[in-house]
Amino acid sequence: KAGVTQTPRYLIKTRGQQVTLSCSPISGHRSVSWYQQTPGQGLQFLFEYFSETQRNKGNFPGRFSGRQFSNSRSEMNVSTLELGDSALYLCASSLHYGDTIYEQYFGPGTRLTVT
Amino acid sequence: DQQVKQNSPSLSVQEGRISILNCDYTNSMFDYFLWYKKYPAEGPTFLISISSIKDKNEDGRFTVFLNKSAKHLSLHIVPSQPGDSAVYFCAAKPPFAGNMLTFGGGTRLMVKP
Repeated sequence: KAGVTQTPRYLIKTRGQQVTLSCSPISGHRSVSWYQQTPGQGLQFLFEYFSETQRNKGNFPGRFSGRQFSNSRSEMNVSTLELGDSALYLCASSLHYGDTIYEQYFGPGTRLTVT
Repeated sequence: DQQVKQNSPSLSVQEGRISILNCDYTNSMFDYFLWYKKYPAEGPTFLISISSIKDKNEDGRFTVFLNKSAKHLSLHIVPSQPGDSAVYFCAAKPPFAGNMLTFGGGTRLMVKP
């Protein structure tokens, strides 16, 4: 079974630009979460999607947005990029969404550099 | 406000000995706790979890202990192997929050042959 795939793996953008990152979950997984990893703040939750609906959102400005498609694939978008947005963006998929914990499988991440 | 903290950024252990990684949390609402391992250039990999209704969970060489009164959990790896060298993250989840995890800052474990 293929794992979580993220594209692109590396990206360089300029301040003020916008960027879209893509995540394909494991086949059959319906929940997709996004995390940002930086040296200073560690791994921080961005948002979670299930059944094409955002279920949870972390403490990030509105410049960070996402969506999920009917095939469970997800994209996240960052508008008006700032230098501080340079980070590793990780996507994780899990089978379901619910009150109990479902094991999350992480992709390798997209390394975004903002210059 | 860091709700999950790993106060040791690194730990070095001899092969065959026990590795103990520690994690503290402040949010008493957390009801699930997890440990992830991360190798360079890869995403985190799930290791083991524990529900707040338990105080211990074992899976092979890995055991997680939860002390709710102290808001502390630890991961024991016995025996440690060189392949265990990685960054370990503890994470916690509050109830009714789907798969939303709050991560600690990570501890780099080095197991020396």
